[in-house]
Amino acid sequence: DSGVTQTPKHLITATGQRVTLRCSPRSGDLSVYWYQQSLDQGLQFLIQYYNGEERAKGNILERFSAQQFPDLHSELNLSSLELGDSALYFCASSVGDQGHNEQFFGPGTRLTVL
Amino acid sequence: AQTVTQSQPEMSVQEAETVTLSCTYDTSESNYYLFWYKQPPSRQMILVIRQEAYKQQNATENRFSVNFQKAAKSFSLKISDSQLGDTAMYFCAFTKYNNNDMRFGAGTRLTVKP
Repeated sequence: DSGVTQTPKHLITATGQRVTLRCSPRSGDLSVYWYQQSLDQGLQFLIQYYNGEERAKGNILERFSAQQFPDLHSELNLSSLELGDSALYFCASSVGDQGHNEQFFGPGTRLTVL
Repeated sequence: AQTVTQSQPEMSVQEAETVTLSCTYDTSESNYYLFWYKQPPSRQMILVIRQEAYKQQNATENRFSVNFQKAAKSFSLKISDSQLGDTAMYFCAFTKYNNNDMRFGAGTRLTVKP
């Protein structure tokens, strides 16, 4: 158990819908990272927040957005969902703001878009 | 752009034997970090080992060691005394020193046979 929690574990929804994925980092970690793992694209970094502020952006679509709240939990919002958005979404956390710090991954949220 | 290549989609090894997983990367940066992550059937991503590019010495973590060849841009993972619990997908990853956009290879599926 990494200490990072993600909810829900599974999510099934329809095209065009909007969903919110939630992540709680390990106690004491200030950074949260979001990743997408799909069959087509493999593992991709989406976005990072550090202590409430956006710190780095990767291959995140404009339909996707994220935020980190004062209690340091983070949410990833996916809207206008398409079939290709079906994937495993991971969040990870680390103490510092540098990507090379050890990142601890959550168990992931499996999103299925029908 | 940084790319990470894992040329072995699948490998297998007998329990207690040694196996080496290959990874090459492409970058013009001189300072960066390389990682090997393990993803067992549970889907949890686990950091196996990390290497800082400016360090000449190869990183080791118990039965796991790397062969880092900076000039050749090669970063292979050696697993000694393979155990059944080593069965997993292994991902090689790269991140620049001051950039948190982590890039992953496509992964190598390792099966340890009894």
